[in-house]
Amino acid sequence: GAGVSQTPSNKVTEKGKYVELRCDPISGHTALYWYRQSLGQGPEFLIYFQGTGAADDSGLPNDRFFAVRPEGSVSTLKIQRTERGDSAVYLCASSLREGHEQFFGPGTRLTVL
Amino acid sequence: AQKVTQAQTEISVVEKEDVTLDCVYETRDTTYYLFWYKQPPSGELVFLIRRNSFDEQNEISGRYSWNFQKSTSSFNFTITASQVVDSAVYFCALSMPSGTYKYIFGTGTRLKVLA
Repeated sequence: GAGVSQTPSNKVTEKGKYVELRCDPISGHTALYWYRQSLGQGPEFLIYFQGTGAADDSGLPNDRFFAVRPEGSVSTLKIQRTERGDSAVYLCASSLREGHEQFFGPGTRLTVL
Repeated sequence: AQKVTQAQTEISVVEKEDVTLDCVYETRDTTYYLFWYKQPPSGELVFLIRRNSFDEQNEISGRYSWNFQKSTSSFNFTITASQVVDSAVYFCALSMPSGTYKYIFGTGTRLKVLA
C-alpha cells in the first residue's frame, strides 16, 4: 500500500510569506505527527493529531505555526510570516495507533530566503 | 526530563566489520517505547525496530541486532558484517504514553561503511 506522502517536496519562499505544507498519511492511521529536522539534527516534534483534533501542540515554536486535520486524514501545516530560521525539512509521520511505530513521509524541504 | 543521547556523531568502518551504535535514554516513566530508524542519503526515515519497556529480550533480524538493558538505560544497535548500503544516519528515539507518544530523538549517528 501507499506510504505517507508529503507535498511539495521542496518549497522556496521569501521572508514574510505564508506557506502551507501538506501531509497525506497511510490510510487508516489515526495518529499523525509533524516534526521539523534541521541540518545535522534529529527531528523535533511539532504537533500531534489523534483523529481530527490536535492532541498535543506543545512543540509548535510560536503562533506563526498552525496545523489542521479537518477530516481526520490529510493534514496541513501552515506557517505565517516565514522567517529564515524556519528553513528546515518538515516531516510528517502516521501510526496505526498511539504507541505503535510511526511511518515517515519523505519530507518537505522549506527554504526561506 | 526525557532525553536520548547518541554520543557517537560519526563512525567509519570497513566493509564486513561489525559496528555497534550506542543509545542511552532518560525517562522516569515505567512504560515507554524505544525505536531505531535509518535515514539514508535519500532522506526518508525508515523504521527498524520498536521495543517496549517491559520486554528486555534482545532481538536479531538478519545482520541487525539490538541489546536493550534497562539497568544502564541503553538500547544499542549492532550491525554484523557491515555493507556499503548500511551507510546512513541512524536515529534512536523514545516515546511515552505520558508524552502523547511523540518521539524524542537523539542527534543521530552517521555511519560510513567503506568498500
